[in-house]
Parts: sequence; structure tokens; C-alpha cells
Amino acid sequence: AQTVTQSQPEMSVQEAETVTLSCTYDTSESDYYLFWYKQPPSRQMILVIRQEAYKQQNATENRFSVNFQKAAKSFSLKISDSQLGDAAMYFCAYRSAHSGTYKYIFGTGTRLKVLA
Amino acid sequence: DAEITQSPRHKITETGRQVTLACHQTWNHNNMFWYRQDLGHGLRLIHYSYGVQDTNKGEVSDGYSVSRSNTEDLPLTLESAASSQTSVYFCASSESGGGPREQYFGPGTRLTVT
Repeated sequence: AQTVTQSQPEMSVQEAETVTLSCTYDTSESDYYLFWYKQPPSRQMILVIRQEAYKQQNATENRFSVNFQKAAKSFSLKISDSQLGDAAMYFCAYRSAHSGTYKYIFGTGTRLKVLA
Repeated sequence: DAEITQSPRHKITETGRQVTLACHQTWNHNNMFWYRQDLGHGLRLIHYSYGVQDTNKGEVSDGYSVSRSNTEDLPLTLESAASSQTSVYFCASSESGGGPREQYFGPGTRLTVT
């Protein structure tokens, strides 16, 4: 069975600085998808970024980028130029690419605080 | 605009009562999911459905049931509410087919069982 681990329950970053959130996963599959979701105080889950395992290039979305290390089964999220609005819970998620499988496995989350 | 809604947003109920949480999506997605979110556990999958009349158990399905009679709705029923079921519940949906198929989430329902 696949597992997702986020070992940092809480992180802090100064406004305008860079922070990296860690995520590791365990799987025997070779093809899969990885996601980072943001949950602000409103509780609404928002997709931040996604990565397809067969792609070697790391995904980027504006100030958000990932460091995807397939051999190490690591999928960290880097937030550059942190803003107050980035304060939220961040969840890492795994989805098998096996045909007909659409469910996610989530990590336990990292709460990010942004200090003014 | 397409959306996914949950009702009620907040619910307080007593131990032993049956409770149903509603989830309605207008994305026309085949796949629908129910999660619970608890501190220290992240989001855990309760039940999911890949189409009408299809339902499957997730990792924490005991005490919960779902039914899928149409594409838009997947109600979650707590047969006999227990204090351990106090949680925030999220519904989500996604398309079928190839590619990442991100899940779109509802706003959540906070359920308190007293």
C-alpha cells in the first residue's frame, strides 16, 4: 500500500523569504501523480501544483515549484517570495496512474506561518 | 460556473442519531469522494464512487455509508453517530480518463457529535 509522509507539522517563514515543505512517499508503482494542495483558514482546498511521475522536469506555478526526486521518493514544495496569503495548511497527495484508479492518499499536512 | 456544494456547513447532533451530509456537484464528474479531516491525520478517505450505482469503501468506512443514484450527488450517512465521528467532512469530485485528474473540493461540513 502507498503511504505519504509529511514530517514537518509546522513551519514558519519571514515574508518575502523562501521556504521548502517536505513530502516523502512510498510506492512500488512506476507511474503516478503527485499534488500539493493548500488549505487556508477558510478550509477550502486549493490545488497548488501537480507533478506527473514520468516527467523528469520539475513543475512550477509562479512562485511555487517542486523538487521531485523519483528515486528518493521525495516531492518537496518550494515557495519563493512568501506572502501573508500563503499562510495555510499544505497537504501532499499521491494518486496512482493505474487505469481506473482516481483516489488520493494524503499526508498529514504542514501548517505554514508567514511572519510579517 | 460549475461547483461542488456541501450541506449543512455546520451540524450538531447527539450520539446514536442518524445523520446525512449532502454533496452536490455540477461538474458532471464521474468520480466522487468523501474524506474526514482530523488534526494529526490529514484527510482520510471514507467512501468513493466512480459512477452511478458504484460505491467503494475507503480506509475509514466503518459507521458510514453512501449511495449514488445520479451523477451529481453522493450523500454520506452516519448510521448511528458516535463522538469519534466529530470531524470536518469534505466531499470532492474528479473526472475520469487519462492525466492527473485533480480533485475539486467542497467547502466542508463541520460535524459535532455530543
